[in-house]
Amino acid sequence: QKEVEQNSGPLSVPEGAIASLNCTYSDRGSQSFFWYRQYSGKSPELIMSIYSNGDKEDGRFTAQLNKASQYVSLLIRDSQPSDSATYLCAVRTGGATNKLIFGTGTLLAVQP
Amino acid sequence: GAGVSQSPSNKVTEKGKDVELRCDPISGHTALYWYRQRLGQGLEFLIYFQGNSAPDKSGLPSDRFSAERTGESVSTLTIQRTQQEDSAVYLCASSLVGAAPQETQYFGPGTRLLVL
Repeated sequence: QKEVEQNSGPLSVPEGAIASLNCTYSDRGSQSFFWYRQYSGKSPELIMSIYSNGDKEDGRFTAQLNKASQYVSLLIRDSQPSDSATYLCAVRTGGATNKLIFGTGTLLAVQP
Repeated sequence: GAGVSQSPSNKVTEKGKDVELRCDPISGHTALYWYRQRLGQGLEFLIYFQGNSAPDKSGLPSDRFSAERTGESVSTLTIQRTQQEDSAVYLCASSLVGAAPQETQYFGPGTRLLVL
């Protein structure tokens, strides 16, 4: 079992719709959860971070965390073509190192 | 500089040659990380520096890979006797302290390595 799993997609949604991206993780000791957006050929940029169970909203983005189910998701409201990118879920498991464990990413395509 | 910088941006080398990749973290960031991203894959952790010591080298794939960091500044990742499977984008990230689990890692633009 991979440590962080994502559906590779592509996830195709029409412009203006809600895009829902999902991620599961295996380490129950995981402390922090991050969503990065990566455009083709570019480096990852942080979209959202979440540390506590529940929802966290920032503009059109909402991150949801359920530690009991080991599940984290990202909702993008009013999706725009400019949101088309690969979304990487990353988990920090704690301990002495703060390395991030990444999923393979979900490719989102927003259709105009 | 405002962000993490890396050089070179692209590197093409022949199998068996050594390569050196450089990372300049954000000024004042004591924590530095190297990751590798193969085509179509997620990021794979390689090594973590706190200052100029490396408390976690667990991601280095073989003894052909090594890294060092000068003080709390520049880091170099060296790959000896490169193999075609080393072809990937090598990404460097830095964060302020490294100890806080909520700390954000900021990524550089990466070095695209192609081993022929």
